[in-house]
Amino acid sequence: GAVVSQHPSRVICKSGTSVKIECRSLDFQATTMFWYRQFPKQSLMLMATSNEGSKATYEQGVEKDKFLINHASLTLSTLTVTSAHPEDSSFYICSAPDRGTFGSGTRLTVV
Amino acid sequence: SQQGEEDPQALSIQEGENATMNCSYKTSINNLQWYRQNSGRGLVHLILIRSNEREKHSGRLRVTLDTSKKSSSLLITASRAADTASYFCATGQGATNKLIFGTGTLLAVQP
Repeated sequence: GAVVSQHPSRVICKSGTSVKIECRSLDFQATTMFWYRQFPKQSLMLMATSNEGSKATYEQGVEKDKFLINHASLTLSTLTVTSAHPEDSSFYICSAPDRGTFGSGTRLTVV
Repeated sequence: SQQGEEDPQALSIQEGENATMNCSYKTSINNLQWYRQNSGRGLVHLILIRSNEREKHSGRLRVTLDTSKKSSSLLITASRAADTASYFCATGQGATNKLIFGTGTLLAVQP
């Protein structure tokens, strides 16, 4: 139980385009979702906390307009990287604190 | 930065030896967790120790927590080649128990 399904697992996009990453809680309701970013050979950095039905809370230094977070239902949270650039290439991973479960991550490559 | 620090950054040992990793953090915490991550993959939760606990065991893992020193250690006994991975500590903080990750230790176990 307590599975968070994250899609896509891997995405390559062109510079300037937007990419949406989804995290679904499959067998429980997630009122909150954490979004992390991990650059190669580095640790996970918390980007933002999404809250069902309200605005996301962003960590210091994270651009709200670039990383759009939506938590429209108790089972779905999305992160959209807008106007992606090569420096946004990273591993993005979500986590549902209600159950302490992580998604499997999305490797984004912007070319 | 709230990020915790781990040492050593990298550790190379022989199979059968014990591996010890240390984690230091800066703020008050609800709990401290240890995760492993194989190269380019998702996170695997290893163990959680609450702020009012001092030591916890799980199989070959032993975790200690010293809240007065704001530090924790992870001991892996009788290491195996399959233990080769990156290990991260993460402190659960605040009302949402958001996880703030340490810098990580790259463990290499030589067969």
